[in-house]
Amino acid sequence: AQTVTQSQPEMSVQEAETVTLSCTYDTSESDYYLFWYKQPPSRQMILVIRQEAYKQQNATENRFSVNFQKAAKSFSLKISDSQLGDAAMYFCAYEKNRDDKIIFGKGTRLHILP
Amino acid sequence: SQTIHQWPATLVQPVGSPLSLECTVEGTSNPNLYWYRQAAGRGLQLLFYSVGIGQISSEVPQNLSASRPQDRQFILSSKKLLLSDSGFYLCAWKVGWRNSPLHFGNGTRLTVT
Repeated sequence: AQTVTQSQPEMSVQEAETVTLSCTYDTSESDYYLFWYKQPPSRQMILVIRQEAYKQQNATENRFSVNFQKAAKSFSLKISDSQLGDAAMYFCAYEKNRDDKIIFGKGTRLHILP
Repeated sequence: SQTIHQWPATLVQPVGSPLSLECTVEGTSNPNLYWYRQAAGRGLQLLFYSVGIGQISSEVPQNLSASRPQDRQFILSSKKLLLSDSGFYLCAWKVGWRNSPLHFGNGTRLTVT
């Protein structure tokens, strides 16, 4: 069964600095999708970024980028120029192709220090 | 535009009582629907998902059940709540094609006393 592991329960970063959140996953599949979701204090989950496994190029969305290493089954999220509004719980998620099940990691709570 | 409604927002129920949480989606048809539970230290746990009316996949054997009586309605139920059922329940939907993102409701905070 596929699993998603986020080994950092909490992290802190100084405002305007860069932080990287880790995510590893276990799968025997070659075709799948990976996501990062953000859950701010309001608890409203929103998509941050997504990556198709067949694409070698790392996805980027403004200040958010990923480091996707397929062989290592690693999918880290880099947040540049951290802002106070980035403080949230971040979840990594996995979706296998030809499947409708989406599984999440346990999350990393990110604190932004002013 | 698509919207998702989930209610109630909070619920306090005694052990052994029944449960019914409802989720509806507007502005789309034949969505995939999901129920997740968020408990402290356990992340987001997939409970049930559905790709069509009457089609329910269960991920975690427990005293919860789900039903999809209409295309855009997803219901989470229990006949007898346990203390361990306490948590934050999230309903979500997505279009059926791969790589589409999940859209979440505002969640239900369930406390079983």
